Amino acid sequence: DTAVSQTPKYLVTQMGNDKSIKCEQNLGHDTMYWYKQDSKKFLKIMFSYNNKELIINETVPNRFSPKSPDKAHLNLHINSLELGDSAVYFCASSPQGGKYNSPLHFGNGTRLTVT
Amino acid sequence: GNSVTQMEGPVTLSEEAFLTINCTYTATGYPSLFWYVQYPGEGLQLLLKATKADDKGSNKGFEATYRKETTSFHLEKGSVQVSDSAVYFCALHAGGTSYGKLTFGQGTILTVHP
Repeated sequence: DTAVSQTPKYLVTQMGNDKSIKCEQNLGHDTMYWYKQDSKKFLKIMFSYNNKELIINETVPNRFSPKSPDKAHLNLHINSLELGDSAVYFCASSPQGGKYNSPLHFGNGTRLTVT
Repeated sequence: GNSVTQMEGPVTLSEEAFLTINCTYTATGYPSLFWYVQYPGEGLQLLLKATKADDKGSNKGFEATYRKETTSFHLEKGSVQVSDSAVYFCALHAGGTSYGKLTFGQGTILTVHP
């Protein structure tokens, strides 16, 4: 009965490869997000989708392309991976279009290591 | 722009000690404030929140009061347990059309020893 689930949990790949991370939520929320956590634990939003529509794109390189086939899924595809992309990527969701008092529900993260 | 600053960690305490993790923020308007906790190998979980000045959020023995005059939202717990060992994040939501965009502090690692 996992609320926000991401796959894979770990991803190790070489520079230049293309990879995808999948995210699904079964909470009935209409807004989903991708956050990036760097090696110092700092978290920063990358993208936000509301009802499959891109709402926030925080100056992320265009090698990163989110795709939302429906409200319950938000996948992240990364082209031409670079060493600096190594991080933990968290998917999250929230109800009510992410209004200010709606808490975010996070997945357990995908640890991406680029060698 | 908006920003959140937390006290530097890591913080190491003995069981039953008093905990304070400082958090201050910079934001325009009237943000909502949150504390999230991240246990090892897991995602972030909401610990508590406050949506307006002087509100006190509380959960699992943790408390934080939204102080607009000092732009602070310090996290406190009277008696910590080993199971409280985790990373704690202060965050704000600017409201309006921010669509759930949270601005996080840098996180504070807490380790509690028996």
